[in-house]
Amino acid sequence: AAGVIQSPRHLIKEKRETATLKCYPIPRHDTVYWYQQGPGQDPQFLISFYEKMQSDKGSIPDRFSAQQFSDYHSELNMSSLELGDSALYFCASSPQEYTGGAFRNTEAFFGQGTRLTVV
Amino acid sequence: DAKTTQPNSMESNEEEPVHLPCNHSTISGTDYIHWYRQLPSQGPEYVIHGLTSNVNNRMASLAIAEDRKSSTLILHRATLRDAAVYYCILSPLYTGYALNFGKGTSLLVTP
Repeated sequence: AAGVIQSPRHLIKEKRETATLKCYPIPRHDTVYWYQQGPGQDPQFLISFYEKMQSDKGSIPDRFSAQQFSDYHSELNMSSLELGDSALYFCASSPQEYTGGAFRNTEAFFGQGTRLTVV
Repeated sequence: DAKTTQPNSMESNEEEPVHLPCNHSTISGTDYIHWYRQLPSQGPEYVIHGLTSNVNNRMASLAIAEDRKSSTLILHRATLRDAAVYYCILSPLYTGYALNFGKGTSLLVTP
């Protein structure tokens, strides 16, 4: 079965450079999430999109932006990179289902992540 | 968001059942209880979720207290592949709503 695909898998950038991470969700999944996981840390929610609109926002720095395109893939753009941005970045996608009287994302499928190293 | 409290770590022998507890005394009526796990060097993986009733699937069982202030993830027979960090997450799961990971339980499985 198709999974969430993230590219690139590894990325090395210098301080103050920009980086773009890509996420290709599972077909027919209309919701995408981005997470950041620093070394020894738990995943931290950054931002999510539903039907190409931002649906929720977490602790995403102002230097980061993201969008979801018409084909449902998503990109996380990171500018003015800092050493502290070095982390694993996970994308997840989720289908909607109608349950409990509302549309909900009951299960999120995560990609393998992009390891960003800022030097 | 309502908070969850889990033990930092637990240890189990292979082939034995494992009960992973989660306390969530401030859970709201619309919150579902979710469990995800993260194996080393991998993305988180969905395990199970429930609202009020106990739930079973091929991976695990979820036992929810009657007052919903706590829950237990049950792995019926732990294998070495079950060694992971297990996260208990509360969320109403509305479309596009964040799943906020807190501090999970690191499960060690020994042969």
